[in-house]
Amino acid sequence: GENVEQHPSTLSVQEGDSAVIKCTYSDSASNYFPWYKQELGKRPQLIIDIRSNVGEKKDQRIAVTLNKTAKHFSLHITETQPEDSAVYFCAASIGGGFKTIFGAGTRLFVKA
Amino acid sequence: NAGVTQTPKFQVLKTGQSMTLQCAQDMNHNSMYWYRQDPGMGLRLIYYSASEGTTDKGEVPNGYNVSRLNKREFSLRLESAAPSQTSVYFCASSEAISGGVTEAFFGQGTRLTVV
Repeated sequence: GENVEQHPSTLSVQEGDSAVIKCTYSDSASNYFPWYKQELGKRPQLIIDIRSNVGEKKDQRIAVTLNKTAKHFSLHITETQPEDSAVYFCAASIGGGFKTIFGAGTRLFVKA
Repeated sequence: NAGVTQTPKFQVLKTGQSMTLQCAQDMNHNSMYWYRQDPGMGLRLIYYSASEGTTDKGEVPNGYNVSRLNKREFSLRLESAAPSQTSVYFCASSEAISGGVTEAFFGQGTRLTVV
C-alpha cells in the first residue's frame, strides 16, 4: 500500500557537522515532497519542499534531493546549530496530490 | 490572519463518550486534513477534504467521521471514544494547484486523552 519510510529515527551530530535524513516512497505517482520541522510541543512547519520535476533544491543551509527512479528523497542540513534540534518529517503527496502521507519522523539532536 | 485554528486544545473523555473537534482556516484554502500523531508513528492521515463538498478516507479512518461544513471549516467527530484514540490531533489546510497541492499549514493541535 501507500507508504513513506524514513531513516534514521534518531540522529545525533556535533554542532557544525552535517545531518542527512533519508526517505523512500512507494507510489510512483507521488509528485510533491515536503519536509516539516516540529519543535517540542509545537505544530509541524514546512522547511523545504520539492516537486517531481526537480532533482535538487537548496535554501541556505538546507537542501533536498529527489531520485524519482529509486523513489527516494533526502534532506541535508549543513553547519548544524543547536536550534536545528527538533523532529523532522518527510512526506509524499499521492493519489493525485491531495493525500499526503508522512514518514515516522527523525529526532535530530545537535550537541553544542 | 489566524491561519488554522483548532478547538479545544485539551480534552479528556471517558470511553464511549462522543465529541467533535473543530477546525477553521482563514487562508481561503481548498483542501483540509485531519491527522493524528502518536509517539514514533509520525503523522497519520485520518480524513481529508480536497475541496468543499468532498471528503475521503485517509490511512486510519476507523472510528472517526468528518464534515466539511463550508470552505473554512472541517470538523472531526469521535462517535464512541476508545483508549486507542488517545493522541494529538492536528488539522491542516493547503491550497490546491494544478497537479497537486502546496505547503500544509497546521493548527496548534488537540491533545485528547480517553480514559
